[in-house]
Amino acid sequence: AQSVTQPDIHITVSEGASLELRCNYSYGATPYLFWYVQSPGQGLQLLLKYFSGDTLVQGIKGFEAEFKRSQSSFNLRKPSVHWSDAAEYFCAVVPHGSSNTGKLIFGQGTTLQVKP
Amino acid sequence: EPEVTQTPSHQVTQMGQEVILRCVPISNHLYFYWYRQILGQKVEFLVSFYNNEISEKSEIFDDQFSVERPDGSNFTLKIRSTKLEDSAMYFCASEGTSGRNEQFFGPGTRLTVL
Repeated sequence: AQSVTQPDIHITVSEGASLELRCNYSYGATPYLFWYVQSPGQGLQLLLKYFSGDTLVQGIKGFEAEFKRSQSSFNLRKPSVHWSDAAEYFCAVVPHGSSNTGKLIFGQGTTLQVKP
Repeated sequence: EPEVTQTPSHQVTQMGQEVILRCVPISNHLYFYWYRQILGQKVEFLVSFYNNEISEKSEIFDDQFSVERPDGSNFTLKIRSTKLEDSAMYFCASEGTSGRNEQFFGPGTRLTVL
């Protein structure tokens, strides 16, 4: 079945440490790939997206993500986490296809906690 | 910076009542969406809307749901007769024509059905 999986429900890292949030998708053709962040009481904010081309994409707030076709993955990374990065992170896809109307299919989300 | 706004931020209603959730998309955007997130679950697509008609709807979006863009600025989601399982956070999103598939989300409306 077509799906987006974020294996880690909750991650805790120390401030200044590196971060990697995992995302795997299961679709026949490579979909468009996105990472969103949601801070408490806020809407979803787009961090970065991948459509095609360079498999390493840069986003806002110092985040980057790498698309790996062989692993059907689009993991989000940040070299040094700040306390303000504590939030919920969602991986999402827009499947290719004739019925593509731009609907986003979301993963379950990963809650990031940052320790001082 | 332009943003999507939603009102109210929190709506409490009795089962069986009608509710209307309101959204003001970014002014020059053409594609509009509603999503919902039941507590503890993933964000789910409800409906997409373009050129004054529904483009796609999910299985969740049954006859109890409807959307409207009544005045060219607001985008509303109506639930005709609410059920307990409609309790969720409802997000509106809009998208322009450049940078296709970059959706901008509102802060959400928390709907509680008692």
